[in-house]
Amino acid sequence: DQQVKQNSPSLSVQEGRISILNCDYTNSMFDYFLWYKKYPAEGPTFLISISSIKDKNEDGRFTVFLNKSAKHLSLHIVPSQPGDSAVYFCAATPTTSGTYKYIFGTGTRLKVLA
Amino acid sequence: DTEVTQTPKHLVMGMTNKKSLKCEQHMGHRAMYWYKQKAKKPPELMFVYSYEKLSINESVPSRFSPECPNSSLLNLHLHALQPEDSALYLCASSQPGAGGTDTQYFGPGTRLTVL
Repeated sequence: DQQVKQNSPSLSVQEGRISILNCDYTNSMFDYFLWYKKYPAEGPTFLISISSIKDKNEDGRFTVFLNKSAKHLSLHIVPSQPGDSAVYFCAATPTTSGTYKYIFGTGTRLKVLA
Repeated sequence: DTEVTQTPKHLVMGMTNKKSLKCEQHMGHRAMYWYKQKAKKPPELMFVYSYEKLSINESVPSRFSPECPNSSLLNLHLHALQPEDSALYLCASSQPGAGGTDTQYFGPGTRLTVL
């Protein structure tokens, strides 16, 4: 059972435009969500997170939106840059469980075209 | 500083070898993790140490043996691995209960090949 889903395996965007990556989850116990960026053969790099008490968090070019009723979050990157080309994973965790377990989505490969 | 270091970067071993992967962090984090990642798949949790005690073992085969000598170090001892164990092994750390959130920071990984 895939509790966190990223239904788009890949996305191509022109440089300077907005990239929108989507993530859906099924477990209503999840209350903390994160986005990681990963280059090949490297570890995931933390980008941005959001707690379920918020519906938006912004950090520079990156904004994460959370729609709890739809169990959906999205990552907006604007403007997109060629260096943003990577695989993006969303992750979710139920912080109140105390288990420290993240559930990762399957990833979306973003390609920013120059 | 959010750095987690891992050594070695690459490791090739035979099925009868014994080797160890090492992970270190100096962020004062008290939770440390081992993940396994196969190509084009998300990271899969293997073990979690919380305050130097093993708190989660995700039914990992006994040929993988974790060790947490102190709050900064995490080892993964490998013995009698199989070719299907070839993967990127990732270490991560976090500070439990930090304001109700718990961001994990990952190391660069060790690329393991089992022949």
